[in-house]
Amino acid sequence: AQKITQTQPGMFVQEKEAVTLDCTYDTSDQSYGLFWYKQPSSGEMIFLIYQGSYDEQNATEGRYSLNFQKARKSANLVISASQLGDSAMYFCAMREAPSSGNTPLVFGKGTRLSVIA
Amino acid sequence: GAVVSQHPSRVICKSGTSVKIECRSLDFQATTMFWYRQFPKQSLMLMATSNEGSKATYEQGVEKDKFLINHASLTLSTLTVTSAHPEDSSFYICSARDQAGGLNEQFFGPGTRLTVL
Repeated sequence: AQKITQTQPGMFVQEKEAVTLDCTYDTSDQSYGLFWYKQPSSGEMIFLIYQGSYDEQNATEGRYSLNFQKARKSANLVISASQLGDSAMYFCAMREAPSSGNTPLVFGKGTRLSVIA
Repeated sequence: GAVVSQHPSRVICKSGTSVKIECRSLDFQATTMFWYRQFPKQSLMLMATSNEGSKATYEQGVEKDKFLINHASLTLSTLTVTSAHPEDSSFYICSARDQAGGLNEQFFGPGTRLTVL
């Protein structure tokens, strides 16, 4: 079964508008971490934001915020005031039992965001 | 933030040759490194978990004799694609965690684009 589901293969957003990228996850662990990464055409993985399962506040990092709804097992990424440079692939990922150094990140299939001028 | 380097960034080789990819953590110690493979327009798929001083743990479907992983020190892991074939052409990315770092830290190398002719 998919641990991370991103249902939007592609999204378009007008420059300066906000956009929400969806992510749902599946785990039976109580302790886990959720990540969002941006991957431009160069291929590098750029860390955007992290949410721990025990964090009560939604994570925010500049124009990025994570809408964490634990009961629904969703961790949507909100990008405010979109810029042309935000056009890229966006991956949601999860690490279960994050206190263990050996646990890998598992990725969703990604969403390609295109920002339109 | 911590830096992970990969070398080479791009390699083109003939079918049947072996290719070695190096992954280094430049300013931290990584007891565990992860190797991912990404085909065009797809997500990152975990190939193996590399533990310093011990054998790597391979994901189901990944041939350990074809993808040799060595993690001889706390700062270096290598992936050797043996007898490469065109179907091995892909983007290979390594990732590492700082064993002294926070739960949310996971650093990615810039990736190696392998093309097998």
